[in-house]
Amino acid sequence: AQKVTQAQTEISVVEKEDVTLDCVYETRDTTYYLFWYKQPPSGELVFLIRRNSFDEQNEISGRYSWNFQKSTSSFNFTITASQVVDSAVYFCALSERNTGNQFYFGTGTSLTVIP
Amino acid sequence: EAGVAQSPRYKIIEKRQSVAFWCNPISGHATLYWYQQILGQGPKLLIQFQNNGVVDDSQLPKDRFSAERLKGVDSTLKIQPAKLEDSAVYLCASSLVRTETQYFGPGTRLLVL
Repeated sequence: AQKVTQAQTEISVVEKEDVTLDCVYETRDTTYYLFWYKQPPSGELVFLIRRNSFDEQNEISGRYSWNFQKSTSSFNFTITASQVVDSAVYFCALSERNTGNQFYFGTGTSLTVIP
Repeated sequence: EAGVAQSPRYKIIEKRQSVAFWCNPISGHATLYWYQQILGQGPKLLIQFQNNGVVDDSQLPKDRFSAERLKGVDSTLKIQPAKLEDSAVYLCASSLVRTETQYFGPGTRLLVL
Protein backbone atom coordinates (compact mmCIF):
# COMPACT_ATOMS: atom_id res chain seq x y z
CA ALA A 1 0.00 0.00 0.00
CA GLN A 2 1.20 3.49 -0.77
CA LYS A 3 2.22 5.27 2.40
CA VAL A 4 2.14 8.70 0.81
CA THR A 5 -0.47 9.63 -1.77
CA GLN A 6 -0.29 12.70 -3.94
CA ALA A 7 -3.43 12.37 -6.01
CA GLN A 8 -2.72 15.38 -8.19
CA THR A 9 -0.32 14.32 -10.92
CA GLU A 10 -0.19 17.64 -12.74
CA ILE A 11 -1.52 21.10 -11.96
CA SER A 12 -1.40 24.23 -14.09
CA VAL A 13 -2.19 27.68 -12.74
CA VAL A 14 -1.84 31.17 -14.05
CA GLU A 15 0.72 33.36 -12.36
CA LYS A 16 -0.50 35.05 -9.16
CA GLU A 17 -3.14 32.41 -8.53
CA ASP A 18 -3.06 30.43 -5.30
CA VAL A 19 -2.55 26.67 -5.54
CA THR A 20 -2.80 23.85 -3.00
CA LEU A 21 -0.92 20.58 -3.36
CA ASP A 22 -2.49 17.68 -1.51
CA CYS A 23 -0.68 15.01 0.46
CA VAL A 24 -2.30 12.13 2.33
CA TYR A 25 -0.23 9.72 4.35
CA GLU A 26 -0.74 6.39 6.06
CA THR A 27 1.04 5.25 9.19
CA ARG A 28 0.43 3.35 12.42
CA ASP A 29 3.41 4.90 14.09
CA THR A 30 2.79 7.61 16.68
CA THR A 31 6.13 9.26 16.00
CA TYR A 32 6.73 10.30 12.45
CA TYR A 33 7.89 13.19 10.32
CA LEU A 34 6.43 14.74 7.22
CA PHE A 35 8.37 16.61 4.58
CA TRP A 36 7.90 18.58 1.41
CA TYR A 37 10.60 18.79 -1.23
CA LYS A 38 10.73 20.78 -4.46
CA GLN A 39 12.39 19.32 -7.55
CA PRO A 40 12.99 21.96 -10.23
CA PRO A 41 13.97 20.97 -13.77
CA SER A 42 17.61 20.90 -12.71
CA GLY A 43 16.77 17.74 -10.78
CA GLU A 44 17.99 18.49 -7.28
CA LEU A 45 15.52 17.87 -4.48
CA VAL A 46 15.26 21.01 -2.37
CA PHE A 47 14.08 20.71 1.21
CA LEU A 48 11.10 22.94 2.05
CA ILE A 49 9.71 21.87 5.41
CA ARG A 50 9.77 19.18 8.10
CA ARG A 51 7.01 18.60 10.65
CA ASN A 52 6.88 16.07 13.44
CA SER A 53 3.74 14.19 14.39
CA PHE A 54 3.36 16.05 17.67
CA ASP A 55 3.25 19.50 16.16
CA GLU A 56 0.04 20.24 14.29
CA GLN A 57 0.58 23.95 14.11
CA ASN A 58 0.21 25.30 10.64
CA GLU A 59 3.25 27.05 9.28
CA ILE A 60 3.73 29.98 6.97
CA SER A 61 6.96 30.93 5.25
CA GLY A 62 6.59 33.80 2.86
CA ARG A 63 4.25 32.68 0.09
CA TYR A 64 4.33 29.08 1.31
CA SER A 65 2.03 27.61 3.94
CA TRP A 66 1.41 24.12 5.22
CA ASN A 67 -1.72 22.65 6.78
CA PHE A 68 -1.11 19.54 8.91
CA GLN A 69 -4.25 17.67 10.02
CA LYS A 70 -3.75 14.38 11.84
CA SER A 71 -7.51 13.74 11.85
CA THR A 72 -7.47 13.37 8.08
CA SER A 73 -3.82 12.26 7.76
CA SER A 74 -3.11 15.14 5.45
CA PHE A 75 -0.25 17.57 5.07
CA ASN A 76 -1.23 20.01 2.34
CA PHE A 77 0.97 22.69 0.85
CA THR A 78 -0.33 26.03 -0.43
CA ILE A 79 1.53 28.50 -2.59
CA THR A 80 0.02 31.97 -2.52
CA ALA A 81 0.38 34.30 -5.50
CA SER A 82 2.24 31.71 -7.54
CA GLN A 83 5.21 32.68 -9.67
CA VAL A 84 6.82 31.10 -12.72
CA VAL A 85 9.79 30.08 -10.56
CA ASP A 86 7.45 27.87 -8.55
CA SER A 87 7.14 25.54 -11.54
CA ALA A 88 8.59 22.22 -10.39
CA VAL A 89 7.66 18.78 -9.17
CA TYR A 90 6.76 18.75 -5.49
CA PHE A 91 7.18 15.66 -3.36
CA CYS A 92 5.63 14.89 -0.02
CA ALA A 93 7.48 12.35 2.14
CA LEU A 94 6.92 10.41 5.35
CA SER A 95 9.53 9.14 7.78
CA GLU A 96 8.45 6.68 10.48
CA ARG A 97 10.44 5.98 13.63
CA ASN A 98 9.40 2.33 13.64
CA THR A 99 10.95 1.70 10.23
CA GLY A 100 14.25 3.29 11.12
CA ASN A 101 13.21 6.64 9.74
CA GLN A 102 13.18 5.39 6.19
CA PHE A 103 11.75 7.97 3.80
CA TYR A 104 8.63 7.13 1.83
CA PHE A 105 8.05 9.52 -1.04
CA GLY A 106 4.83 10.22 -2.85
CA THR A 107 4.74 10.14 -6.62
CA GLY A 108 4.96 13.91 -6.86
CA THR A 109 2.80 16.70 -8.24
CA SER A 110 4.06 18.57 -11.27
CA LEU A 111 3.17 22.25 -10.98
CA THR A 112 3.29 24.54 -13.98
CA VAL A 113 2.80 28.24 -13.45
CA ILE A 114 1.83 29.97 -16.66
CA PRO A 115 2.96 33.58 -17.05
CA GLU B 1 28.16 25.29 3.87
CA ALA B 2 28.79 23.05 0.87
CA GLY B 3 25.95 20.79 -0.17
CA VAL B 4 25.98 17.17 -1.24
CA ALA B 5 28.26 16.66 -4.22
CA GLN B 6 27.75 14.01 -6.87
CA SER B 7 29.60 13.02 -10.02
CA PRO B 8 29.27 12.51 -12.83
CA ARG B 9 26.13 14.51 -13.60
CA TYR B 10 25.35 12.51 -16.71
CA LYS B 11 26.36 9.09 -17.97
CA ILE B 12 25.42 7.16 -21.07
CA ILE B 13 26.44 3.51 -21.32
CA GLU B 14 25.42 0.41 -23.19
CA LYS B 15 23.68 -2.46 -21.50
CA ARG B 16 25.97 -4.97 -19.81
CA GLN B 17 28.59 -2.27 -19.19
CA SER B 18 29.60 -1.16 -15.72
CA VAL B 19 29.18 2.28 -14.19
CA ALA B 20 30.07 3.94 -10.91
CA PHE B 21 28.71 7.02 -9.20
CA TRP B 22 30.37 9.06 -6.48
CA CYS B 23 28.86 11.04 -3.63
CA ASN B 24 30.39 13.34 -1.04
CA PRO B 25 27.92 14.22 1.73
CA ILE B 26 27.64 17.39 3.73
CA SER B 27 30.52 17.61 6.17
CA GLY B 28 29.68 16.01 9.50
CA HIS B 29 26.65 14.10 8.24
CA ALA B 30 26.78 10.56 9.55
CA THR B 31 23.97 9.13 7.46
CA LEU B 32 24.17 8.73 3.69
CA TYR B 33 21.50 7.49 1.32
CA TRP B 34 21.37 6.41 -2.31
CA TYR B 35 18.07 6.67 -4.15
CA GLN B 36 16.92 5.67 -7.61
CA GLN B 37 14.39 7.93 -9.29
CA ILE B 38 12.78 6.63 -12.44
CA LEU B 39 11.18 9.23 -14.69
CA GLY B 40 7.78 10.26 -13.38
CA GLN B 41 8.18 8.56 -10.01
CA GLY B 42 9.30 9.50 -6.54
CA PRO B 43 12.75 8.52 -5.30
CA LYS B 44 13.16 4.96 -4.09
CA LEU B 45 15.72 4.18 -1.40
CA LEU B 46 18.42 1.76 -2.51
CA ILE B 47 20.77 1.79 0.46
CA GLN B 48 21.34 3.69 3.68
CA PHE B 49 24.66 4.01 5.53
CA GLN B 50 25.28 5.08 9.09
CA ASN B 51 28.95 6.12 9.11
CA ASN B 52 30.55 3.24 7.20
CA GLY B 53 28.00 0.59 8.11
CA VAL B 54 24.95 -0.44 6.08
CA VAL B 55 21.65 0.24 7.88
CA ASP B 56 19.22 -0.77 5.15
CA ASP B 57 19.86 -2.29 1.74
CA SER B 58 16.64 -4.25 1.42
CA GLN B 59 15.74 -2.65 -1.91
CA LEU B 60 19.18 -2.83 -3.47
CA PRO B 61 19.34 -5.34 -6.37
CA LYS B 62 22.41 -7.02 -4.97
CA ASP B 63 23.05 -9.18 -8.01
CA ARG B 64 24.11 -6.10 -9.96
CA PHE B 65 24.27 -3.14 -7.57
CA SER B 66 26.88 -2.56 -4.90
CA ALA B 67 27.75 0.39 -2.70
CA GLU B 68 30.41 1.23 -0.18
CA ARG B 69 31.33 4.00 2.22
CA LEU B 70 34.70 2.81 3.39
CA LYS B 71 35.86 5.74 5.51
CA GLY B 72 32.44 6.89 6.60
CA VAL B 73 32.54 9.97 4.40
CA ASP B 74 32.15 9.69 0.63
CA SER B 75 30.46 6.79 -1.09
CA THR B 76 30.35 5.01 -4.42
CA LEU B 77 27.45 3.18 -6.02
CA LYS B 78 28.24 0.68 -8.76
CA ILE B 79 26.10 -1.12 -11.30
CA GLN B 80 27.59 -4.18 -12.98
CA PRO B 81 26.26 -5.16 -15.48
CA ALA B 82 23.76 -2.45 -16.33
CA LYS B 83 20.32 -3.19 -17.75
CA LEU B 84 18.01 -0.97 -19.76
CA GLU B 85 15.68 -0.60 -16.76
CA ASP B 86 18.49 0.95 -14.74
CA SER B 87 18.04 4.18 -16.69
CA ALA B 88 17.15 6.68 -14.00
CA VAL B 89 18.47 9.50 -11.87
CA TYR B 90 20.58 8.33 -8.96
CA LEU B 91 20.31 10.67 -6.02
CA CYS B 92 22.56 10.82 -3.02
CA ALA B 93 21.38 12.40 0.22
CA SER B 94 22.83 12.90 3.66
CA SER B 95 21.57 13.78 7.10
CA LEU B 96 23.18 14.61 10.41
CA VAL B 97 21.64 11.55 12.00
CA ARG B 98 18.91 9.17 10.86
CA THR B 99 16.09 11.18 12.34
CA GLU B 100 17.03 14.44 10.71
CA THR B 101 16.17 16.06 7.42
CA GLN B 102 17.83 14.60 4.33
CA TYR B 103 19.62 16.95 1.98
CA PHE B 104 20.01 15.88 -1.62
CA GLY B 105 22.70 16.25 -4.21
CA PRO B 106 22.04 17.18 -7.86
CA GLY B 107 21.87 13.55 -8.96
CA THR B 108 23.45 11.52 -11.75
CA ARG B 109 21.31 10.93 -14.82
CA LEU B 110 22.05 7.47 -16.23
CA LEU B 111 20.92 6.35 -19.65
CA VAL B 112 21.46 2.72 -20.56
CA LEU B 113 21.20 2.00 -24.30
